[in-house]
Amino acid sequence: GEDVEQSLFLSVREGDSSVINCTYTDSSSTYLYWYKQEPGAGLQLLTYIFSNMDMKQDQRLTVLLNKKDKHLSLRIADTQTGDSAIYFCAEKNAGNMLTFGGGTRLMVKP
Amino acid sequence: DAGITQSPRYKITETGRQVTLMCHQTWSHSYMFWYRQDLGHGLRLIYYSAAADITDKGEVPDGYVVSRSKTENFPLTLESATRSQTSVYFCASRAGGFETQYFGPGTRLLVL
Repeated sequence: GEDVEQSLFLSVREGDSSVINCTYTDSSSTYLYWYKQEPGAGLQLLTYIFSNMDMKQDQRLTVLLNKKDKHLSLRIADTQTGDSAIYFCAEKNAGNMLTFGGGTRLMVKP
Repeated sequence: DAGITQSPRYKITETGRQVTLMCHQTWSHSYMFWYRQDLGHGLRLIYYSAAADITDKGEVPDGYVVSRSKTENFPLTLESATRSQTSVYFCASRAGGFETQYFGPGTRLLVL
């Protein structure tokens, strides 16, 4: 079956880099996603990566995909207090539906 | 308002009552989705719809009913609410052939 796992919590200092990790089990995943959820709000798509890529960079965000190990990471450079949120990774399964991880709460300390 | 909206934003109900959560999108997206968010489970798909009058079950459909008579609306009904259905419910939509799902602000439902 499909399973997406994330660590629950990450704390960093403002200005440092944050790395949020995710593992998944479905080797047929075509796309993998990172969503951000701010308090009291819905999910906002940050970025996504196609499964034949191993890296994607978008301003302060870098996504790394290790397809052999089924490991996805999101690096946020120069983390700011406004980056404090819950981050969800998700995979697109064979049925074209998204399976979400449990979310990682990122806390940025000033 | 443009975008995707949900109503009500907050709802308290009692066990056994019927509750309908509304979702409306203004983009004419073909796909619409209902998720529930529970601590430790992330988001789980309840039902989805690929077009008007086409709906299908997701991961956790039991106890829920959906309909989609119009492209822009996708109501979710709890026929007889149970305490285990206390959750935050998110509606989402996306255009066919595109990757981005757009999420509504969520409905917090408490079943007493």
